[in-house]
Amino acid sequence: KQEVTQIPAALSVPEGENLVLNCSFTDSAIYNLQWFRQDPGKGLTSLLLIQSSQREQTSGRLNASLDKSSGRSTLYIAASQPGDSATYLCAAKDNYGQNFVFGPGTRLSVLP
Amino acid sequence: NAGVMQNPRHLVRRRGQEARLRCSPMKGHSHVYWYRQLPEEGLKFMVYLQKENIIDESGMPKERFSAEFPKEGPSILRIQQVVRGDSAAYFCASSPETSGAYNEQFFGPGTRLTVL
Repeated sequence: KQEVTQIPAALSVPEGENLVLNCSFTDSAIYNLQWFRQDPGKGLTSLLLIQSSQREQTSGRLNASLDKSSGRSTLYIAASQPGDSATYLCAAKDNYGQNFVFGPGTRLSVLP
Repeated sequence: NAGVMQNPRHLVRRRGQEARLRCSPMKGHSHVYWYRQLPEEGLKFMVYLQKENIIDESGMPKERFSAEFPKEGPSILRIQQVVRGDSAAYFCASSPETSGAYNEQFFGPGTRLTVL
C-alpha cells in the first residue's frame, strides 16, 4: 500500500529565500506524481505533474524533481514571496489504482 | 472552459439528516474522483467513478455513504444519517482519461460540510 510523507510539516522563511519541500513515497512503482498548493479554506491548485519517465518539471519559479529509485520528490521554490504562503501537497498515483495518495502537506509561511 | 464545479460550497446539517454533494466535472472529462479532508488531516481517496459506473470505492465507508455519476448531470456524493464525524471538506476531481500520457486530476473548490 502506497504511503506518502512530507517533510517538514511547517516551514517559515523570509521573503526572497530559495526553499525546498520534500515528499517521500514508499512504493516506487508510481505512474506520476503531482504537486498542489492549497490556500486556507480553498480547493487545490495543480502546480506541476511529473510522469514516471521524467526527472523534473519546471514552471516559473517552481521546479519539481522525481527520483523513483529513492522514492523521493522535491519542490524547489526560487525567490519566495509572501503570496507563496500556502499548504503544499504532493500526491502519487501508482500503477495499480486510479486515485492519488496524498501526503499530509507542508505549511509554508513566507514573511515579508 | 469552466473548471470543476462543486455545490454547495458550504453545507450545514443536523445529526441524522442527509447530505447531498454535487460535482460537475470539467467539460470533456468523464472520470470523477471524490476525496475527503478531515480537519488537520490530509486528503483521503473515497471513490472513483466513470459515467454510470463505480470503478473503485475502496476508500468509501461501508455504511451511509454512496456515490453516483449518471449519464446526464453531475456526480452526487450522498451521506445518509450524518454524524458529527462526517464534518469535513469534500473535494471532487476530474480527469479526461485514466491511461496515456496525461491523467492529471483537476480539483474543484470543495464542499465544506458541518454537522451540528
